[in-house]
Amino acid sequence: AQSVTQPDIHITVSEGASLELRCNYSYGATPYLFWYVQSPGQGLQLLLKYFSGDTLVQGIKGFEAEFKRSQSSFNLRKPSVHWSDAAEYFCAVGILTGGGNKLTFGTGTQLKVEL
Amino acid sequence: GAGVSQSPSNKVTEKGKDVELRCDPISGHTALYWYRQSLGQGLEFLIYFQGNSAPDKSGLPSDRFSAERTGGSVSTLTIQRTQQEDSAVYLCASSPTRAGAVYSPLHFGNGTRLTVT
Repeated sequence: AQSVTQPDIHITVSEGASLELRCNYSYGATPYLFWYVQSPGQGLQLLLKYFSGDTLVQGIKGFEAEFKRSQSSFNLRKPSVHWSDAAEYFCAVGILTGGGNKLTFGTGTQLKVEL
Repeated sequence: GAGVSQSPSNKVTEKGKDVELRCDPISGHTALYWYRQSLGQGLEFLIYFQGNSAPDKSGLPSDRFSAERTGGSVSTLTIQRTQQEDSAVYLCASSPTRAGAVYSPLHFGNGTRLTVT
């Protein structure tokens, strides 16, 4: 069965600093990988996704993620964090189920941004 | 346009009571998912509906949990004889899945926060 590990429960960065959130996955086939963000009182929003091709994917809000098969990782990065980026971030791996996609999520990383 | 709507947004119930949580997906979305978000546990898949196919119930944690989707639209998640460990945020998502499509984006609702006292 597939699984996702986000080793950092909480991360604090200063506004303007760079950010990297770690994600490791376990899946027997080519994974479909996702990063979602959940802001306080908001639903989950898709930041970016990886299916195939270029291993560096760009997302919304200036985020990017790099797929490294050798490390089974899909880390999320942002060069300069804004205070509005404070939220909880979830990495997920997807499998196809009869045309749909069922996601397995990590436990999330809570990001705090210091001004 | 309207997104995925869940009601109620908050529900407090006493242990042992039954609760029903409702999800209105985006119009035209054929796939519907329920997830549970517990503190420190991330999001846990519960059940998946796709069109008229039999639902994937592999994530339901016990037989106290059930869900149905009427007319391919609105879904209700029912928890019978609630326990304190059922306290969580229950999220619904829908997707415009098309036959043969590799992937369709999930659109999440804001969830129902269930507290069992």
